[in-house]
Amino acid sequence: AQKITQTQPGMFVQEKEAVTLDCTYDTSDQSYGLFWYKQPSSGEMIFLIYQGSYDEQNATEGRYSLNFQKARKSANLVISASQLGDSAMYFCAMREGQWGFNKFYFGSGTKLNVKP
Amino acid sequence: ETGVTQTPRHLVMGMTNKKSLKCEQHLGHNAMYWYKQSAKKPLELMFVYSLEERVENNSVPSRFSPECPNSSHLFLHLHTLQPEDSALYLCASSQAGPGNTIYFGEGSWLTVV
Repeated sequence: AQKITQTQPGMFVQEKEAVTLDCTYDTSDQSYGLFWYKQPSSGEMIFLIYQGSYDEQNATEGRYSLNFQKARKSANLVISASQLGDSAMYFCAMREGQWGFNKFYFGSGTKLNVKP
Repeated sequence: ETGVTQTPRHLVMGMTNKKSLKCEQHLGHNAMYWYKQSAKKPLELMFVYSLEERVENNSVPSRFSPECPNSSHLFLHLHTLQPEDSALYLCASSQAGPGNTIYFGEGSWLTVV
């Protein structure tokens, strides 16, 4: 079974509107972390936001927020007030392993296009 | 200065060449990773080094040879590659333990001709 599933290969959003990128995960660990990364066409993977499995509040970083629904095993990324520079690939990731070596799993990504 | 730097950013090599990709992290992390990203494919984990010991090798062909001389440096030695090895190679680092993030370099675009 896939550890991280992103079901939206591509998304379009109008500039200044909000958009939600979906992510579901699969783990039997109690302690894990969830991440979102942005990858522009230049290739660099840019860390956006992190949610720990024990965090009760949804993580927020500026225009990014993570809608964490533990029972449903979903960790959707919400981008508010989209900008043209938000056009990129977005990857959801999960870290398993509490101590020692951590394993990270990545989804297949969602390509976001912001329209002017 | 970025936390994880990779050189070269772009590399074109013939199938008989030997080249190396270099990665350096300035974050004080104790784990380093090589990932491969091909067109329209998810990231593939190639190698992981934790405390300078290789802890993961995901059935990568022997024409890719990693080297981790210390906790800050990671190399990927390339020899007799195939055209299908053309991809973006991403280096990353993390600190083992809960609540820690994996940080990536800018990637090395490799083209095998």
